[in-house]
Amino acid sequence: EPEVTQTPSHQVTQMGQEVILRCVPISNHLYFYWYRQILGQKVEFLVSFYNNEISEKSEIFDDQFSVERPDGSNFTLKIRSTKLEDSAMYFCASSARQGFQPQHFGDGTRLSIL
Amino acid sequence: AQTVTQSQPEMSVQEAETVTLSCTYDTSESDYYLFWYKQPPSRQMILVIRQEAYKQQNATENRFSVNFQKAAKSFSLKISDSQLGDAAMYFCAYRSAPGTASKLTFGTGTRLQVTL
Repeated sequence: EPEVTQTPSHQVTQMGQEVILRCVPISNHLYFYWYRQILGQKVEFLVSFYNNEISEKSEIFDDQFSVERPDGSNFTLKIRSTKLEDSAMYFCASSARQGFQPQHFGDGTRLSIL
Repeated sequence: AQTVTQSQPEMSVQEAETVTLSCTYDTSESDYYLFWYKQPPSRQMILVIRQEAYKQQNATENRFSVNFQKAAKSFSLKISDSQLGDAAMYFCAYRSAPGTASKLTFGTGTRLQVTL
């Protein structure tokens, strides 16, 4: 069964550094998402992406965050200047269509900011 | 904005028994979708079951079924014949209907323990 793939599985970064989290969505999917989960808390929506542009973003997704689909397969989340509070699990998801089509999640990238 | 509430932080069930996890939500929309996701210790979010709001019939997937009460805005998950592999964090999630924002809004989760 096709899967969403995320790399790296764990990223350790110094505060203030830039970090790029990578995702390879399922190949025929059109909608892409990033969520984050701070340890012990619920999963929170960050951003959705369709047709090479952001469809929606949450309050968390401020100017420090950006997303890109640089080629036909990768979907990246960049944090320009990381803060301690950016430490979390970041999940990428994709879906074939909106609505009832389920979002398929990757295994996540654990981001630790020192 | 929609909100999803899971009032049971932790639940425990004996192997082979049945357990029900509660979920309520708040929305002004009439058309939407509801999902239950499972997150085992491996951290991957796995879809368990989904329900379309305009369908009155409750969804069923093998040992998993839901009790969807639209008027009460309730969407509980029933796990029958519980197995050790069912131990995980379970998240209830809401998604608006097509043509609007398609993000998932999650509840805070219920940690399910399965004992022998």
